[in-house]
Amino acid sequence: KQEVTQIPAALSVPEGENLVLNCSFTDSAIYNLQWFRQDPGKGLTSLLLIQSSQREQTSGRLNASLDKSSGRSTLYIAASQPGDSATYLCAVPGNNRLAFGKGNQVVVIP
Amino acid sequence: GAGVSQTPSNKVTEKGKYVELRCDPISGHTALYWYRQSLGQGPEFLIYFQGTGAADDSGLPNDRFFAVRPEGSVSTLKIQRTERGDSAVYLCASSPLAVTDTQYFGPGTRLTVL
Repeated sequence: KQEVTQIPAALSVPEGENLVLNCSFTDSAIYNLQWFRQDPGKGLTSLLLIQSSQREQTSGRLNASLDKSSGRSTLYIAASQPGDSATYLCAVPGNNRLAFGKGNQVVVIP
Repeated sequence: GAGVSQTPSNKVTEKGKYVELRCDPISGHTALYWYRQSLGQGPEFLIYFQGTGAADDSGLPNDRFFAVRPEGSVSTLKIQRTERGDSAVYLCASSPLAVTDTQYFGPGTRLTVL
Protein backbone atom coordinates (compact mmCIF):
# COMPACT_ATOMS: atom_id res chain seq x y z
CA LYS A 1 0.00 0.00 0.00
CA GLN A 2 1.34 3.40 -0.99
CA GLU A 3 2.07 5.70 1.98
CA VAL A 4 2.56 9.41 1.39
CA THR A 5 4.15 11.66 4.00
CA GLN A 6 4.49 15.42 3.98
CA ILE A 7 6.79 17.44 6.17
CA PRO A 8 6.61 19.86 7.78
CA ALA A 9 2.96 19.58 8.77
CA ALA A 10 2.78 23.33 9.28
CA LEU A 11 5.02 26.30 8.71
CA SER A 12 4.91 30.08 8.85
CA VAL A 13 7.18 32.31 6.81
CA PRO A 14 7.47 36.06 6.32
CA GLU A 15 6.32 37.42 3.00
CA GLY A 16 8.99 37.27 0.32
CA GLU A 17 10.72 34.15 1.59
CA ASN A 18 10.89 31.04 -0.56
CA LEU A 19 8.82 28.04 0.53
CA VAL A 20 10.07 24.48 0.41
CA LEU A 21 7.50 21.71 0.92
CA ASN A 22 8.48 18.06 1.03
CA CYS A 23 6.58 14.93 0.03
CA SER A 24 7.79 11.36 0.30
CA PHE A 25 6.20 8.13 -0.89
CA THR A 26 6.99 4.51 -0.11
CA ASP A 27 6.42 2.83 -3.47
CA SER A 28 8.67 4.39 -6.11
CA ALA A 29 6.83 2.71 -9.00
CA ILE A 30 4.66 5.76 -9.61
CA TYR A 31 3.22 6.99 -12.89
CA ASN A 32 3.15 10.65 -11.85
CA LEU A 33 2.73 12.90 -8.83
CA GLN A 34 0.26 15.72 -8.41
CA TRP A 35 0.43 18.77 -6.13
CA PHE A 36 -2.78 20.41 -4.97
CA ARG A 37 -3.69 23.51 -3.04
CA GLN A 38 -6.60 23.59 -0.59
CA ASP A 39 -7.99 26.76 0.96
CA PRO A 40 -9.93 26.46 4.25
CA GLY A 41 -13.38 25.00 3.68
CA LYS A 42 -12.75 24.54 -0.03
CA GLY A 43 -11.99 21.75 -2.46
CA LEU A 44 -8.64 20.94 -4.03
CA THR A 45 -7.09 22.90 -6.87
CA SER A 46 -4.54 21.13 -9.03
CA LEU A 47 -1.26 23.05 -9.18
CA LEU A 48 1.17 20.79 -10.99
CA LEU A 49 1.32 17.25 -12.32
CA ILE A 50 4.81 15.90 -12.79
CA GLN A 51 5.28 12.74 -14.83
CA SER A 52 7.57 9.98 -13.60
CA SER A 53 9.87 10.62 -16.56
CA GLN A 54 10.28 14.28 -15.59
CA ARG A 55 12.58 15.69 -12.95
CA GLU A 56 10.94 19.11 -12.76
CA GLN A 57 7.74 20.91 -13.65
CA THR A 58 7.27 24.67 -13.42
CA SER A 59 4.29 26.99 -13.36
CA GLY A 60 4.93 30.64 -12.59
CA ARG A 61 6.44 30.90 -9.10
CA LEU A 62 5.90 27.20 -8.49
CA ASN A 63 8.45 24.51 -9.23
CA ALA A 64 8.02 20.83 -8.42
CA SER A 65 10.89 18.37 -8.52
CA LEU A 66 10.63 14.60 -8.49
CA ASP A 67 13.22 12.02 -7.50
CA LYS A 68 11.44 8.75 -8.12
CA SER A 69 14.26 6.49 -7.02
CA SER A 70 14.40 8.06 -3.57
CA GLY A 71 10.63 8.45 -3.32
CA ARG A 72 10.61 12.20 -2.90
CA SER A 73 9.09 15.32 -4.40
CA THR A 74 9.62 18.93 -3.42
CA LEU A 75 7.41 21.91 -4.16
CA TYR A 76 9.19 25.26 -4.23
CA ILE A 77 7.23 28.48 -4.10
CA ALA A 78 9.37 31.51 -4.86
CA ALA A 79 8.92 34.92 -3.21
CA SER A 80 5.93 33.88 -1.11
CA GLN A 81 2.90 36.13 -0.80
CA PRO A 82 0.09 36.22 1.79
CA GLY A 83 -2.20 34.80 -0.89
CA ASP A 84 -0.08 31.64 -0.88
CA SER A 85 -1.42 30.81 2.60
CA ALA A 86 -3.18 27.46 2.23
CA THR A 87 -2.67 23.74 2.70
CA TYR A 88 -0.62 22.01 0.00
CA LEU A 89 -1.21 18.31 -0.66
CA CYS A 90 0.72 15.88 -2.76
CA ALA A 91 -0.82 12.74 -4.21
CA VAL A 92 0.24 9.73 -6.27
CA PRO A 93 -2.05 7.49 -8.35
CA GLY A 94 -2.32 3.78 -7.89
CA ASN A 95 -4.97 1.10 -7.31
CA ASN A 96 -7.70 3.23 -8.91
CA ARG A 97 -7.18 6.14 -6.54
CA LEU A 98 -4.96 8.98 -5.49
CA ALA A 99 -3.05 8.39 -2.27
CA PHE A 100 -2.65 11.67 -0.40
CA GLY A 101 -0.38 12.99 2.26
CA LYS A 102 -1.84 14.96 5.16
CA GLY A 103 -0.65 18.24 3.69
CA ASN A 104 1.66 21.13 4.50
CA GLN A 105 -0.27 23.97 6.12
CA VAL A 106 1.39 27.23 5.11
CA VAL A 107 0.93 30.72 6.56
CA VAL A 108 2.70 33.62 4.88
CA ILE A 109 2.98 36.56 7.25
CA PRO A 110 2.66 40.01 5.67
CA GLY B 1 -15.86 25.46 -18.94
CA ALA B 2 -17.67 24.40 -15.81
CA GLY B 3 -15.74 22.51 -13.19
CA VAL B 4 -16.93 19.77 -10.87
CA SER B 5 -19.92 20.81 -8.82
CA GLN B 6 -21.31 19.28 -5.65
CA THR B 7 -24.56 19.78 -3.83
CA PRO B 8 -25.40 20.57 -1.15
CA SER B 9 -22.37 22.48 0.08
CA ASN B 10 -23.39 21.80 3.66
CA LYS B 11 -25.64 19.14 5.11
CA VAL B 12 -26.63 18.83 8.76
CA THR B 13 -28.56 15.75 9.73
CA GLU B 14 -29.47 13.75 12.79
CA LYS B 15 -28.01 10.41 13.70
CA GLY B 16 -29.88 7.61 12.00
CA LYS B 17 -31.13 9.65 9.04
CA TYR B 18 -30.49 8.99 5.35
CA VAL B 19 -28.55 11.47 3.20
CA GLU B 20 -27.72 11.85 -0.46
CA LEU B 21 -24.78 13.84 -1.78
CA ARG B 22 -24.62 14.79 -5.43
CA CYS B 23 -21.65 15.25 -7.77
CA ASP B 24 -21.76 16.73 -11.27
CA PRO B 25 -18.42 16.02 -13.00
CA ILE B 26 -16.78 17.85 -15.86
CA SER B 27 -18.62 17.06 -19.06
CA GLY B 28 -17.01 14.21 -20.97
CA HIS B 29 -15.00 12.86 -18.05
CA THR B 30 -15.57 9.13 -17.80
CA ALA B 31 -13.76 8.62 -14.50
CA LEU B 32 -15.37 9.82 -11.28
CA TYR B 33 -14.10 9.43 -7.71
CA TRP B 34 -15.46 10.00 -4.24
CA TYR B 35 -13.14 10.80 -1.33
CA ARG B 36 -13.76 11.65 2.31
CA GLN B 37 -11.65 14.15 4.21
CA SER B 38 -11.53 14.57 7.97
CA LEU B 39 -10.02 17.61 9.65
CA GLY B 40 -6.25 17.71 9.34
CA GLN B 41 -6.13 14.68 7.08
CA GLY B 42 -5.68 14.14 3.39
CA PRO B 43 -8.63 12.87 1.35
CA GLU B 44 -9.29 9.13 1.65
CA PHE B 45 -10.62 7.13 -1.26
CA LEU B 46 -14.17 5.79 -1.19
CA ILE B 47 -15.18 4.67 -4.68
CA TYR B 48 -14.18 4.96 -8.34
CA PHE B 49 -16.52 4.89 -11.34
CA GLN B 50 -15.51 4.25 -14.91
CA GLY B 51 -18.57 5.23 -16.90
CA THR B 52 -21.69 3.88 -15.25
CA GLY B 53 -20.04 1.09 -13.32
CA ALA B 54 -18.34 1.15 -9.95
CA ALA B 55 -14.91 -0.13 -10.93
CA ASP B 56 -13.60 -0.09 -7.37
CA ASP B 57 -15.67 0.38 -4.21
CA SER B 58 -13.07 -0.99 -1.82
CA GLY B 59 -12.84 2.31 0.08
CA LEU B 60 -16.46 2.35 1.21
CA PRO B 61 -16.27 1.88 4.99
CA ASN B 62 -19.34 -0.37 5.35
CA ASP B 63 -22.63 -1.32 3.73
CA ARG B 64 -24.34 1.87 4.89
CA PHE B 65 -22.51 3.64 2.08
CA PHE B 66 -23.56 3.26 -1.53
CA ALA B 67 -22.97 5.27 -4.70
CA VAL B 68 -24.50 5.28 -8.17
CA ARG B 69 -23.80 6.86 -11.52
CA PRO B 70 -26.68 5.60 -13.67
CA GLU B 71 -26.02 7.58 -16.86
CA GLY B 72 -22.27 7.92 -16.62
CA SER B 73 -22.33 11.57 -15.61
CA VAL B 74 -23.92 12.70 -12.33
CA SER B 75 -23.16 10.56 -9.29
CA THR B 76 -24.94 10.29 -5.97
CA LEU B 77 -23.35 9.08 -2.76
CA LYS B 78 -25.93 7.65 -0.39
CA ILE B 79 -25.44 7.10 3.31
CA GLN B 80 -28.00 5.18 5.34
CA ARG B 81 -28.47 5.32 9.13
CA THR B 82 -25.90 8.06 9.50
CA GLU B 83 -23.56 8.02 12.49
CA ARG B 84 -21.62 10.85 14.12
CA GLY B 85 -18.42 9.32 12.78
CA ASP B 86 -19.65 9.95 9.24
CA SER B 87 -19.16 13.69 9.76
CA ALA B 88 -16.54 14.85 7.27
CA VAL B 89 -16.12 16.66 3.99
CA TYR B 90 -17.06 14.49 1.03
CA LEU B 91 -15.13 15.36 -2.11
CA CYS B 92 -15.87 14.34 -5.64
CA ALA B 93 -13.33 14.39 -8.47
CA SER B 94 -13.36 13.56 -12.15
CA SER B 95 -10.71 12.87 -14.75
CA PRO B 96 -10.90 12.39 -18.51
CA LEU B 97 -10.29 8.66 -18.54
CA ALA B 98 -7.81 7.18 -16.10
CA VAL B 99 -6.65 7.63 -12.53
CA THR B 100 -3.28 8.76 -13.89
CA ASP B 101 -4.89 11.77 -15.57
CA THR B 102 -5.12 15.07 -13.70
CA GLN B 103 -8.02 14.82 -11.26
CA TYR B 104 -10.29 17.84 -10.88
CA PHE B 105 -12.02 18.24 -7.56
CA GLY B 106 -15.32 19.78 -6.59
CA PRO B 107 -15.75 22.11 -3.60
CA GLY B 108 -17.00 19.29 -1.39
CA THR B 109 -20.03 18.69 0.79
CA ARG B 110 -19.53 19.20 4.51
CA LEU B 111 -21.65 16.61 6.30
CA THR B 112 -22.41 17.06 9.98
CA VAL B 113 -24.23 14.32 11.85
CA LEU B 114 -25.64 15.48 15.18
